[in-house]
Amino acid sequence: KNEVEQSPQNLTAQEGEFITINCSYSVGISALHWLQQHPGGGIVSLFMLSSGKKKHGRLIATINIQEKHSSLHITASHPRDSAVYICAVRSNTDKLIFGTGTRLQVFP
Amino acid sequence: DSGVTQTPKHLITATGQRVTLRCSPRSGDLSVYWYQQSLDQGLQFLIQYYNGEERAKGNILERFSAQQFPDLHSELNLSSLELGDSALYFCASSVDGGQGVKETQYFGPGTRLLVL
Repeated sequence: KNEVEQSPQNLTAQEGEFITINCSYSVGISALHWLQQHPGGGIVSLFMLSSGKKKHGRLIATINIQEKHSSLHITASHPRDSAVYICAVRSNTDKLIFGTGTRLQVFP
Repeated sequence: DSGVTQTPKHLITATGQRVTLRCSPRSGDLSVYWYQQSLDQGLQFLIQYYNGEERAKGNILERFSAQQFPDLHSELNLSSLELGDSALYFCASSVDGGQGVKETQYFGPGTRLLVL
């Protein structure tokens, strides 16, 4: 079992839909990151969380430390949101562990 | 543009060879991270340097080594290359090196390595 699990692996949505991507982890962590990787390969850091909730534009990230779970929400999805979304945790032993990613496609 | 630069963008080499990948962090960032992304394994953390010192180590092979220089740029050396080393190698930088709230990482565009 991977230490960081994401679901779903693939997600298809219509433009305007509300999207949720989940991340569960089994190790103690000091921080959790949500990354976005575009089809061209470039990676952008969306959020770094250690507790609570963060919002940036149409993106919202939450983390529940007790349940070892984080969610990334996209409101009013748009085709330009199509990308791979990756959850990564920084473990208490300072290792960075990545989920396998969720491939999102948003159709007009 | 993240402010992190990586050279070269593409590299084609043969098995058994040695290559050096270079990363320049954003101005003011003290930490540099190296990652490998292969098709079958996804993103893997290799190593982190903070202000010239090794800070954390991931799944880095013994054939690979890295260092961070006084001007904070970093190099990843890959030797005795194998076909399976073909991958995209990303470098990222952050302001600090640990658990502080400033640890957002900024990724470079990557170096695509093909070992033939």
